Amino acid sequence: DVQMTQSPSYLAASPGESVSISCKASKSISNNLAWYQEKPGKANKLLIHSGSTLQSGTPSRFSGSGSGTDFTLTIRSLESEDFAVYYCQQYNEYPPTFGSGTKLEIK
Amino acid sequence: QVKLQQSGAELVKPGASVKLSCKTSGYTFSTSYMSWFKQIPGQSIEWIGMIYAGDGGTGYNQKFKGKATLTVDTSSSTAYMDLSSLTTEDSAVYFCARMDYSSPGYFDYWGQGVMVTVSS
Repeated sequence: DVQMTQSPSYLAASPGESVSISCKASKSISNNLAWYQEKPGKANKLLIHSGSTLQSGTPSRFSGSGSGTDFTLTIRSLESEDFAVYYCQQYNEYPPTFGSGTKLEIK
Repeated sequence: QVKLQQSGAELVKPGASVKLSCKTSGYTFSTSYMSWFKQIPGQSIEWIGMIYAGDGGTGYNQKFKGKATLTVDTSSSTAYMDLSSLTTEDSAVYFCARMDYSSPGYFDYWGQGVMVTVSS
């Protein structure tokens, strides 16, 4: 299985700041990577697919980059609703696998 | 809009089975795939398997073969997952999520998750 290594596991930031989350695959996955947001009591939300394509409804302050093995999720000008847990997921091969998650908290 | 509504929390005894449901609305059920996932609180997400609602064809993560069985009822647009021979290691939150035929590999809508607790 493709191992997905996400870092950092925890991140504290203030509203208005920008943050980046890294996701590294154990082998090349082309651009077959998605990012999700998890919030308590809510269904997980698909933010980005194909490495950098924003899902309909995802605010433009979110962006994704990378290909091959190294990927980054960047959130610019953090808003209060962005404090959540973020996961990356590869779908280049089965089974799809997820990173361990990054918890973004308010500083 | 697309909705995936999962059944309520379950408390089951070791050795028993449980059937989880995921009732959908807002899209054409029979032309999409439904995947199921396991997440132990505080840990990452594991993919269990998927089913194509059009013909009931399935694919499983090797790790969950023999543990999970996926089915669908197209008349009610509902997907099901049977978990058998439960142990304490099966205690987790289980999610369903849709994979549209036009977006192979990633999951655009998720259920809210259901907690399964295995305890005597």
